[in-house]
Parts: sequence; structure tokens; C-alpha cells
Amino acid sequence: QVQLQESGPGLVKPSGTLSLTCAVSGGSIISNNWWSWVRQPPGKGLEWIGEIYHTRSANYNPSLKSRVTILVDKSKNQFSLILTSVTAADTAIYYCGTAETEVGLTVWGQGTTVTVSS
Amino acid sequence: QSVLTQPPSASGTPGQRVTISCSGSSSNVGSGYVYWYQHLPGTAPKLLIYRNNLRPSGVPDRFSGSKSGTSASLAISGLRSEDEGDYYCAAWEDSLSAHYVFGTGTKVTVV
Repeated sequence: QVQLQESGPGLVKPSGTLSLTCAVSGGSIISNNWWSWVRQPPGKGLEWIGEIYHTRSANYNPSLKSRVTILVDKSKNQFSLILTSVTAADTAIYYCGTAETEVGLTVWGQGTTVTVSS
Repeated sequence: QSVLTQPPSASGTPGQRVTISCSGSSSNVGSGYVYWYQHLPGTAPKLLIYRNNLRPSGVPDRFSGSKSGTSASLAISGLRSEDEGDYYCAAWEDSLSAHYVFGTGTKVTVV
């Protein structure tokens, strides 16, 4: 059973860059799964950020596309999220997840809280 | 601002049946599958329903999904206290660049 674990700074300064990593264990990132990021701002609902396949093909939320990059590192069996020019509105719990086509996000990490503040 | 609209809240007593609606459009719900996720306090979201009405292994048959046109529903029968939490529908949005969208979310309360 695949397990996911997010890691990264819990505090990022405004206008800075948010970088998170999701380590994949119990399975290979080179599989038929898409590797995804989802976030939940305080008091708000879930927001899909984007996903990547091991071939580096990626899909992004159009509302974030200009600021988001998702990368995959096959050698470390992990994938990462980079979000630039952050503001307080990017404060959220960030979850990584894995999705099978037409099945949905079947496995989720526990989530990591990121606060954007000076 | 989600393109999938859900009622903000729903409630029921233990044992009752609760239904949550998800209203979309021809570019999302109407053109593909609907998924449902359960998000309990302090935990990661969990997939409840995929491909409109299929349950992943381990999800009780108290949870059922349906879709008709540009709307979908999640039903929880035999409501239990541990069902209290947030529920989200989701679908692929085909307008502009394809992307996944979550619904606005529904908070289920067991009274």
C-alpha cells in the first residue's frame, strides 16, 4: 500500500516561494498513477492545485497555473510543489495525494500546514 | 469559487438517511464522472465514491452515489456519529485547460 508524506517549511514570507516535497513509500512513482497536490485554506474547502505523471506530463488549476510548478524526482521516489509569489491567501493545509485515472485520489498524505506571514 | 455547488450543511439523527446534492454543468458533471470525498476533522480526505456510484474497497455500503445530467448526489443511510464531517463532490472540468475541481463542500452534522 502506497504511503505519502509531505515535508517542507511551515512558514513562508510574503512574495516568497513555497516549496513542499511528498515522499512516496510502499510503491514506485513510476506507475500508472498521477501525483497530486490539494490544499485547504483555513475555514474554506478543498482546492485542487495540480498533478504530474512520471513522464513529467502535468495538469494545473488555471487559477494557479502562472505560479505553480509540480516536479517529479524518480531517483528519490518523490514529487514536489513549487508556488511562487505567495500571499496570505496561500496559507493552507497542503496535501499530497495519488490518483488513478477515473478512480480519483485514493491515497493522501497527512497534510502539512503552511503559513504565509512576515 | 468552485463550479460545483453543494448545500453548505446537512443534518440528521442517528439511523436516518441524508442526501447531499452536487450541481455542475455540461463541462464537468455532465461530461464525466463524479467523485465524492469525506473529510473528517483532523484527518486527510478519503475517497468515498468514484465513477459516479462505485465504492473503493473498505467503504461501507451505507454510502451511495448517483448522477443524472449535470447533477449528482451522495446518500448516507444509517447515519452514524462518526459520519460527522465535510463531504465534497469532485469532477474534471473540461473548459479551458482540463483540471479537477472540488465542490463547495457540505458539512454533515449528526444531531
